[in-house]
Amino acid sequence: GESVGLHLPTLSVQEGDNSIINCAYSNSASDYFIWYKQESGKGPQFIIDIRSNMDKRQGQRVTVLLNKTVKHLSLQIAATQPGDSAVYFCAENESGGTSYGKLTFGQGTILTVHP
Amino acid sequence: DGGITQSPKYLFRKEGQNVTLSCEQNLNHDAMYWYRQDPGQGLRLIYYSQIVNDFQKGDIAEGYSVSREKKESFPLTVTSAQKNPTAFYLCASSALLGNEQFFGPGTRLTVL
Repeated sequence: GESVGLHLPTLSVQEGDNSIINCAYSNSASDYFIWYKQESGKGPQFIIDIRSNMDKRQGQRVTVLLNKTVKHLSLQIAATQPGDSAVYFCAENESGGTSYGKLTFGQGTILTVHP
Repeated sequence: DGGITQSPKYLFRKEGQNVTLSCEQNLNHDAMYWYRQDPGQGLRLIYYSQIVNDFQKGDIAEGYSVSREKKESFPLTVTSAQKNPTAFYLCASSALLGNEQFFGPGTRLTVL
């Protein structure tokens, strides 16, 4: 089946810097994308989502960009804080396909924020 | 954790024993899901349920079984047929199939 993958498995930044986490997806029919944050030993926590009819969506300190032409998704975190240290997963869903309702998760990127 | 509870947080079992992991949600969500996560890996879908008394196999259903007798409950049984059951198990729910999923805190199962 098709899958979602990440370009960089680890990312280290200094506190206060902006972070960019990337995700490539292969299913061109995917139309819903989510970013999750997972802290050690805990379940994933929803950060932000975006549908394919949008290119950009902003939340509190986070922005998701979607480039459907190259099937690329990114999560930007502004003024990164030590509490942002976690594993970040992108997930995708194809609402009209046979896999409807099933999120496909990427491998994850470990973000480490140094004080 | 968004109104989803999983118990226990840590579970130890001897090889060859069946074990049932609990998942309860009070969000009135129709859809529920079970995922398995191995160290340094993403989430893999085991089973999902769109509605009460209905469930579908995910990508790695072999060696697992589920039931959905109540809307708020979706227990997962790890059977002795599962060759490598030691993992972190995550339950999730969504209002409808395909919507944003909310996750529970997870159960770490170790088979000795």
